[in-house]
Amino acid sequence: DAGVIQSPRHEVTEMGQEVTLRCKPISGHNSLFWYRQTMMRGLELLIYFNNNVPIDDSGMPEDRFSAKMPNASFSTLKIQPSEPRDSAVYFCASSLGQGEYEQYFGPGTRLTVT
Amino acid sequence: GENVEQHPSTLSVQEGDSAVIKCTYSDSASNYFPWYKQELGKRPQLIIDIRSNVGEKKDQRIAVTLNKTAKHFSLHITETQPEDSAVYFCAARDNYGQNFVFGPGTRLSVLP
Repeated sequence: DAGVIQSPRHEVTEMGQEVTLRCKPISGHNSLFWYRQTMMRGLELLIYFNNNVPIDDSGMPEDRFSAKMPNASFSTLKIQPSEPRDSAVYFCASSLGQGEYEQYFGPGTRLTVT
Repeated sequence: GENVEQHPSTLSVQEGDSAVIKCTYSDSASNYFPWYKQELGKRPQLIIDIRSNVGEKKDQRIAVTLNKTAKHFSLHITETQPEDSAVYFCAARDNYGQNFVFGPGTRLSVLP
């Protein structure tokens, strides 16, 4: 398996623009997680899905952020409109299920909002 | 909700020495504690984990200990090597939440 795939790997955009980050989990994994990593706040869970259903989105910072998982092999994280404080590395991770399963992280998307 | 603290934030050791990183958690219901290693510019990767029914677990040069009464757990790396240099994150998961709460990380530098 290729592991968790994320695209794009780098994104530079101007404030106010819409940004869409994409994730393909490992085949057969039922849980998918979106994280944001910054120096100031560390690794924060934004939202996670189980069997394509959002379970907990309490980490989503505000209404500008939205996430979808239309099927078992694809998820998106959208920021609209983007702001400079959204600059961070966004990781997608997947696991076999909820519970004591290893989370496999993707390579991350480095987002810079100018 | 769960809160995980981690110390120290940075740690420098000489190659061959041991390194210890400590974490505390707040939710007594937490029952699973993984450790992730993140090399510079790369993704976090699981290196070891421990469940609440076990007090210690070892994997070659890496070991983790858990004290449920005190609500703390530690990562021990022996005979450190330069390739151990990375940021290490501890995490905790409880029976009710389905996600991990990560600590803020420890940047370990192994000096040759």
